[in-house]
Amino acid sequence: QVQLEQSGAEVKVPGASVKLSCKASGYSFTNYKIHWVRQAPGQGLEWLGMIVPSGGGTAYTQKFQGRLSVTRDMSTATVFMHLRSLTSADAALYYCARGNAEGDFDFWGHGTLVTVS
Amino acid sequence: SYEVTQPPSVSVSPGQTASISCSGDNLEDRFTCWYQQKPGQPPVLVIYQDKKRPSGIPERFSGSNSGNTATLTITGTQAVDEADYYCQTWDSNIVLFGGGTKLTVL
Repeated sequence: QVQLEQSGAEVKVPGASVKLSCKASGYSFTNYKIHWVRQAPGQGLEWLGMIVPSGGGTAYTQKFQGRLSVTRDMSTATVFMHLRSLTSADAALYYCARGNAEGDFDFWGHGTLVTVS
Repeated sequence: SYEVTQPPSVSVSPGQTASISCSGDNLEDRFTCWYQQKPGQPPVLVIYQDKKRPSGIPERFSGSNSGNTATLTITGTQAVDEADYYCQTWDSNIVLFGGGTKLTVL
């Protein structure tokens, strides 16, 4: 079965960086994009960026340009999200999600909580 | 930049029909999908490509997209449908979410 296993909760100080992981299993890793979406407490969903595992191509929302990097390790079918220069506004639950050919997200990880304090 | 807008809240009585809108300029020219999110859980896809239901999603969920508005309709709403609902579309290579609608079944 399709699974997206996310890394554990993180606590960071302002100005630090965080690197989260999302390990995919149960399907062909190269055939689907992986997206990162975050949700601040009590707020809505915010898309951050994505990677195409087969070629490594990425796209990011302009708000995070220069501060966000998404990479992948083909040998372990794992995608990483690296966010730099953290502020309290970055405190949120970070989800990875599988993006299919129809443009929607059909499987989601359970999220990684990032606290900035 | 392109945006999609949802009402913050919608209320419905059990057994009635709930309609949640998602508005954007000429939204009918783009595919829209919908997610349901219950407290403490990740979102679940309930409608994709405007009106298709993924496997396992009850038939009472349906979708449409015309003009500037996409609509998620829940016919015969049940208490278990109480949740937050988000529309999602694309603008070039960028994903856009609506702000979310809290559906209350009372």
